[in-house]
Amino acid sequence: DAKTTQPPSMDCAEGRAANLPCNHSTISGNEYVYWYRQIHSQGPQYIIHGLKNNETNEMASLIITEDRKSSTLILPHATLRDTAVYYCIVRVAGGNAGNMLTFGGGTRLMVKP
Amino acid sequence: GAVVSQHPSWVICKSGTSVKIECRSLDFQATTMFWYRQFPKQSLMLMATSNEGSKATYEQGVEKDKFLINHASLTLSTLTVTSAHPEDSSFYICSARDIRGEQFFGPGTRLTVL
Repeated sequence: DAKTTQPPSMDCAEGRAANLPCNHSTISGNEYVYWYRQIHSQGPQYIIHGLKNNETNEMASLIITEDRKSSTLILPHATLRDTAVYYCIVRVAGGNAGNMLTFGGGTRLMVKP
Repeated sequence: GAVVSQHPSWVICKSGTSVKIECRSLDFQATTMFWYRQFPKQSLMLMATSNEGSKATYEQGVEKDKFLINHASLTLSTLTVTSAHPEDSSFYICSARDIRGEQFFGPGTRLTVL
C-alpha cells in the first residue's frame, strides 16, 4: 500500500470547518483513499473513502486532487466530539487476502471551545 | 451498519497467566479478521491476519506461540495472550472484513498485566 503523510496535530475552533490534509504521492491507479478516526480508547471508526471523485456523506467531505496525490478531509462544523486522531489510508478496495488497512501516525485533531 | 464486538472490554491479570479476547462480527460473516495492538500514544500495529478455517498469518516480530489466534467460524475469532507479562499490556483491537472487502473495527480490549 502507498504511504501517506499527515501533519501530526491540528487545532480547530468549535463550529468551524476542520480541513485535514493528506499526501499520498505514490498512490496507484487502483488504490482508494480511506479516512478513519479514533477517539481516545475506542476502536477506529470509518468516515469516508473515495477513488478520484469528491465524496460527501453525513460525517464529512473528501476532496481528492485531480492528480490524486493528495486529499483533504473536511468536517464542515467541528464539534468537541470530533476531537480524535484521524488516519488517512490508501489501499486497494476489495476482499483480497492481503488487502488490510495499515495505519500511519495520523493527525491528532483538537477541537477547542 | 456492520458491527464488531470484543469481549472483554478490559482485563487485568497477573503475570504468567493467559488471557483470551473474543472478536465477533454481529451482523455479517467475516472470512478474514485482523488483530491490531496499540501502545499509548502510538498508532495501531497489525499483529496478524486470521482467515476462517486456516492458520493465522503473523506480522514480522509477532510471536505466534505467544499470541494464539483461532478463527473457527465466520463470526468469531479469538486471540489468546499466553503467559502474559507486563510488556504485553496494551490496547488490542480486532477488525473484521466483509464480503465487499470493507473492514470494521471492534471497540478494543485494554489488557493490563500486573
